[in-house]
Amino acid sequence: AQSVSQHNHHVILSEAASLELGCNYSYGGTVNLFWYVQYPGQHLQLLLKYFSGDPLVKGIKGFEAEFIKSKFSFNLRKPSVQWSDTAEYFCAVNAMEYGNKLVFGAGTILRVKS
Amino acid sequence: NAGVMQNPRHLVRRRGQEARLRCSPMKGHSHVYWYRQLPEEGLKFMVYLQKENIIDESGMPKERFSAEFPKEGPSILRIQQVVRGDSAAYFCASSGGAMSNQPQHFGDGTRLSIL
Repeated sequence: AQSVSQHNHHVILSEAASLELGCNYSYGGTVNLFWYVQYPGQHLQLLLKYFSGDPLVKGIKGFEAEFIKSKFSFNLRKPSVQWSDTAEYFCAVNAMEYGNKLVFGAGTILRVKS
Repeated sequence: NAGVMQNPRHLVRRRGQEARLRCSPMKGHSHVYWYRQLPEEGLKFMVYLQKENIIDESGMPKERFSAEFPKEGPSILRIQQVVRGDSAAYFCASSGGAMSNQPQHFGDGTRLSIL
C-alpha cells in the first residue's frame, strides 16, 4: 500500500528565510505527486503537481518541488517565505494502479513570523 | 470559492443521530471523492463516485457509512447512528475526468462534531 511521510509537523520561520518541506512516499511504481496548501479557514488549494517530464516543477506563489525518483521524494521549496505563506501544507500521491484516490501525508504547519 | 461546494460547514449531532453531508462538484465535473481528516492527521480517502456509480469505496468503514451521487443533485455522505469517533472534518473533491493525473479540487469541508 502507498504511504506518504512528511518529516516535520510544525515549522517556524522568519520572513525571507528559505523553506524546504520534506515528502517521501513508499510506492515503487509510476506515481503522480501533488502539494496542496490550506490557508487558515480555507479549502485545500493545489500548489503544484508532477506527472512526468522535468522533475523540477514550478507552482503558484513562487513554490517549486523536485521529484527525485531514486529517493522517493518530492520536497517543496521556496527561496524566501512571506508572512502570508503561513498555512498547512500537504503532500499527496496517487498511482494509476490504485485508482484515483490521493494518499496524503499528515501535513506540515508552517508559521512565518513577520 | 466558485468551485466545489459543501454544506453544511459545521454540523453538530448527538450520538445515535444521522449526519448527512452534501457536496456539489465544480461545474463540468462528474467525479467526486470524499476524504476524512481526523485531528492531527492527514486526509484519508473514503470513497470515489461517478454519477450514479460507486467506483472505489475501499476507504469507507464497513458499517454506518454510505455515499451516493445521484443523476441529479449533490453527492451525499451519510453517517448513521453517529459515535464520538466520527467527529472529524469531511472534505469533498471533484475532478473533470477519470485519469489519475486529473487534479482534484477541494471544497471547504464539513466539520462534524458529535456530542
